[in-house]
Amino acid sequence: AIWMTQSPSLLSASTGDRVTISCRMSQGISSYLAWYQQKPGKAPELLIYAASTLQSGVPSRFSGSGSGTDFTLTISCLQSEDFATYYCQQYYSFPPTFGQGTKVEIK
Amino acid sequence: QVQLQESGPGLVKPSETLSLTCTVSGGSVSSGSYYWSWIRQPPGKGLEWIGYIYYSGSTNYNPSLKSRVTISVDTSKNQFSLKLSSVTAADTAVYYCATSLNWNYGINWFDPWGQGTLVTVSS
Repeated sequence: AIWMTQSPSLLSASTGDRVTISCRMSQGISSYLAWYQQKPGKAPELLIYAASTLQSGVPSRFSGSGSGTDFTLTISCLQSEDFATYYCQQYYSFPPTFGQGTKVEIK
Repeated sequence: QVQLQESGPGLVKPSETLSLTCTVSGGSVSSGSYYWSWIRQPPGKGLEWIGYIYYSGSTNYNPSLKSRVTISVDTSKNQFSLKLSSVTAADTAVYYCATSLNWNYGINWFDPWGQGTLVTVSS
């Protein structure tokens, strides 16, 4: 099984900040990684797939990078609607698994 | 675009079987373009993929739940369903249905998702 380590678990930031969230794998997964945003009481929404491909309709302030074992989600200029929990998900090996989540809260 | 809606009992007794249905609109479960998944999230915790079904009836389940899970599809109603047997309090969670593309045997990213339904296991 592939172990996923998402960090930090909690991130305090202000509107306008640039924030980065890390997702590290116990073994290489090429670019088989997705990122989701989840707001309280709502279903996760796909932001990025294939490590760096922005899902249609997702603002360009979101970007993803990395391959192999280390991946990053960056929000270039945090907006009020971006305060949420973010999850990474690997689909390189079966079963697909999710990171533990990073909650982005208002500082 | 495809939209999904979960339905089913919100309360299930321990040792009984949890049954949920996902109704698909804006698309067809008979489409070979998608795989149809169930994913769950215990309160305050992370996400766990349960399994999927393809329109042909082919299924694949998370090994951690495989012995208790059955996913089926009803093409006449444009629905797919989840049954989880012998439930305990640990199965209390929000259950989501979601789709993935027909690529990499259905193991890829999930989009879209249903709104989710909370199922509580309690006597």
